[in-house]
Amino acid sequence: DAGVIQSPRHEVTEMGQEVTLRCKPISGHNSLFWYRQTMMRGLELLIYFNNNVPIDDSGMPEDRFSAKMPNASFSTLKIQPSEPRDSAVYFCASSFGENSNQPQHFGDGTRLSIL
Amino acid sequence: GEDVEQSLFLSVREGDSSVINCTYTDSSSTYLYWYKQEPGAGLQLLTYIFSNMDMKQDQRLTVLLNKKDKHLSLRIADTQTGDSAIYFCAEIGGSGTYKYIFGTGTRLKVLA
Repeated sequence: DAGVIQSPRHEVTEMGQEVTLRCKPISGHNSLFWYRQTMMRGLELLIYFNNNVPIDDSGMPEDRFSAKMPNASFSTLKIQPSEPRDSAVYFCASSFGENSNQPQHFGDGTRLSIL
Repeated sequence: GEDVEQSLFLSVREGDSSVINCTYTDSSSTYLYWYKQEPGAGLQLLTYIFSNMDMKQDQRLTVLLNKKDKHLSLRIADTQTGDSAIYFCAEIGGSGTYKYIFGTGTRLKVLA
């Protein structure tokens, strides 16, 4: 069974550039989460979608960050313009259900380095 | 607010048992999870326990939950070098919530 698929696995870009991270959730899952992981702050929830609708974006750090989910099988997280402090590993996770106790399944992440 | 705490490091010898501990503050937690993260990889769900259970066993893994003390542990029997990873404890609150509260992770090092 295919798990959560994220692309790219690694991204290195210069400060000021636009960065787009992509996620394909597990088929049939209707909840999707974007997380950021850093040594200093651990895992932070950035945004949560349910049935393609953003439910909670309170974790999005700044207006430079935006996320979309145009359909049930695809989501993007965009940073524009990027800054060195955005360097982190970004994870996408999906689960089944709303307000769900079903476990979240994580992708392998995108390791982002902003120079 | 809710908080989940774990010790940062644990070192064990191959073949011994490992016990990774976690404490949480949210008394309305319904499910508690253990995830494993290997270098360069995402979080892999290992097991989870519903809050009305005291224990759950799954092959080499045993989860113990002490709800009164808000203490969760993960025991790995016959620890192998492949078990070296970071282990995260996470909890989710009562009905109507979706947000996991993650611990800081415990880095397990298995010595050959």
